[in-house]
Amino acid sequence: SQQGEEDPQALSIQEGENATMNCSYKTSINNLQWYRQNSGRGLVHLILIRSNEREKHSGRLRVTLDTSKKSSSLLITASRAADTASYFCATDAMNNNAGNMLTFGGGTRLMVKP
Amino acid sequence: EAGVVQSPRYKIIEKKQPVAFWCNPISGHNTLYWYRQNLGQGPELLIRYENEEAVDDSQLPKDRFSAERLKGVDSTLKIQPAELGDSAVYLCASSLYSRGLYEQYFGPGTRLTVT
Repeated sequence: SQQGEEDPQALSIQEGENATMNCSYKTSINNLQWYRQNSGRGLVHLILIRSNEREKHSGRLRVTLDTSKKSSSLLITASRAADTASYFCATDAMNNNAGNMLTFGGGTRLMVKP
Repeated sequence: EAGVVQSPRYKIIEKKQPVAFWCNPISGHNTLYWYRQNLGQGPELLIRYENEEAVDDSQLPKDRFSAERLKGVDSTLKIQPAELGDSAVYLCASSLYSRGLYEQYFGPGTRLTVT
């Protein structure tokens, strides 16, 4: 079963615009991670935010986490055509004593038009 | 540094045939994962290894799926016999414990089509 649910499922924007994707989850977490997947490729780790953090930045990426609402958002600023991909959130549940056991959401398919 | 290597990249088989996938993790990564990703969905964990030991295989359909990780390095995932519903991308990932966290690195996957 998938814990995270991304919203929207698909997003189409023009190059230069910002893209915002949201993720909701069900159980308490140690951390939440965002991954990108280009068509036909494996997943690439983008950013990790711990449960005691509220916001994190990495280049054009900004991630927020609201543990009271069990939700996270990924913002990509000044989007480029190369950002076209699927984006997945993944949660590491708090009762997981076995290391990084990630549960992935269904993903947001982002298309950035040149 | 080489990433996670998987082979084959693509496989087309008829139902009831066996199939095997191979994964070579990043050197030094003790933890290895096999995921299945259906079209339009996120990956779902099938099995996780810590060195040679399978520590979580609760999602692995054991009637037809098997996996092994000999010597704690390479791993193979086998399906016998394959069913139409097994068509998916099978992803291998490995991780290293760093700064109190595990970061997972994924291979490109094997796209399986069962006809």
